[in-house]
Amino acid sequence: AAGVIQSPRHLIKEKRETATLKCYPIPRHDTVYWYQQGPGQDPQFLISFYEKMQSDKGSIPDRFSAQQFSDYHSELNMSSLELGDSALYFCASSSRGDEEKLFFGSGTQLSVL
Amino acid sequence: AQSVTQPDIHITVSEGASLELRCNYSYGATPYLFWYVQSPGQGLQLLLKYFSGDTLVQGIKGFEAEFKRSQSSFNLRKPSVHWSDAAEYFCAVEGSYKLSFGAGTTVTVRA
Repeated sequence: AAGVIQSPRHLIKEKRETATLKCYPIPRHDTVYWYQQGPGQDPQFLISFYEKMQSDKGSIPDRFSAQQFSDYHSELNMSSLELGDSALYFCASSSRGDEEKLFFGSGTQLSVL
Repeated sequence: AQSVTQPDIHITVSEGASLELRCNYSYGATPYLFWYVQSPGQGLQLLLKYFSGDTLVQGIKGFEAEFKRSQSSFNLRKPSVHWSDAAEYFCAVEGSYKLSFGAGTTVTVRA
């Protein structure tokens, strides 16, 4: 069965650079969530989208932005990267009203040097 | 807003012994509850979830969890631990269309 696809799997950037993370939800899922997990930390909710509109916002820095496209894939754009942005970034998808089927991708490991 | 507390940061258990991981949640309505397992550098794997119905939920890898509304708890158990169960375990509650995770419990399995 198709799962949530995240790319790239690993990303290395330098301070002040820009990074773009991509998430492809399970087919027919209309909701995408982004989470950030720092080293030794629990995943923290960043932002979510439902039907291409932002539906909720968590602890996402102003340097980050995200959007969901017409094909329901989502991109998390991160600018002016800082060392503290080094983390595992997870995307999850679900279908609104059927949150029992919430699935996570394998994550993108971002390292900022 | 919902929240999850995992009181135990680290648990060490002998292989073959039983395991219980505690999880307490705070949420105003009927919660959707999850347990995830994460190996180092890996993604989150869903072990089991509770939405409604039977309060004892069976999951993968021989895990089960019991939802106790009166105690606001959703403890994870396994009767006999295998070395491959060494990992970090996260309890999560869903509310307002997002998951809130506990801080996690690291499980070490000794031979």
